[in-house]
Amino acid sequence: SQTIHQWPATLVQPVGSPLSLECTVEGTSNPNLYWYRQAAGRGLQLLFYSVGIGQISSEVPQNLSASRPQDRQFILSSKKLLLSDSGFYLCAWSRLGPKTNTGELFFGEGSRLTVL
Amino acid sequence: LAKTTQPISMDSYEGQEVNITCSHNNIATNDYITWYQQFPSQGPRFIIQGYKTKVTNEVASLFIPADRKSSTLSLPRVSLSDTAVYYCLVGLTGGFKTIFGAGTRLFVKA
Repeated sequence: SQTIHQWPATLVQPVGSPLSLECTVEGTSNPNLYWYRQAAGRGLQLLFYSVGIGQISSEVPQNLSASRPQDRQFILSSKKLLLSDSGFYLCAWSRLGPKTNTGELFFGEGSRLTVL
Repeated sequence: LAKTTQPISMDSYEGQEVNITCSHNNIATNDYITWYQQFPSQGPRFIIQGYKTKVTNEVASLFIPADRKSSTLSLPRVSLSDTAVYYCLVGLTGGFKTIFGAGTRLFVKA
C-alpha cells in the first residue's frame, strides 16, 4: 500500500532563518507531488506541484522554493523565512496522468511552522 | 479550472441528514466533482467523486443534476465526529493542480 510521510511535524523558526520540509512517498512510482499551505482558519493554498523529477511548477510567487531530487521525494525550502510563512504545510500525492487518475489526493500528516 | 461556491458554515444535530451544496456554473465537459473532508491539524481526506447523476459509497452520496452546474454532498445520520470542513473541487481527474476553495465548516451538535 502507498504511504506518504512528511517531517518535521512541528517547527518554530526565527524570521530570516532557513527552512527545509521533506516529504516522501512509498509504494508507488511517478506520482504527482504537491505542497499546500493552510493559514489558521483558512482553506488550502497550492504552492507547488511536480509531475516528475526536476519538474516543478509554482502557483504563488513567494520566498519559498521546491525541489524533487528523486521520484518520490519532494522538498520545500526557504532561504529566509518571513512571519507570513507561518502555517500548516501539507504534502500530497496523486497518480500520474489525467486519464488514469481517480482524482484522489493523498495527504501527509502536515508540518506546522511558526515563524517568530 | 471551474470556480466553486459553497456555504461558509452549517450547523446540524446528531442523527440528522446533512446536505451541502456546491455551485460550479463554469464546469467543463471533462470535469469531475470531488469532495474532501478535513479535520483540524490533518490533511484533507477524499470522500466521494462523481461526474453525473448519483454516486453513493459507504460514507456519503453525491447528487449531480443534469446540467452539472451544482452538486450536493449528502451525509446520512451525522455524528459528532463528522464535524469538519468539507471541500468541493471541480476539475479533471488527475488534474495537475488541484485547487481547494474555502470549504464548508460543518458543526454537528449533540
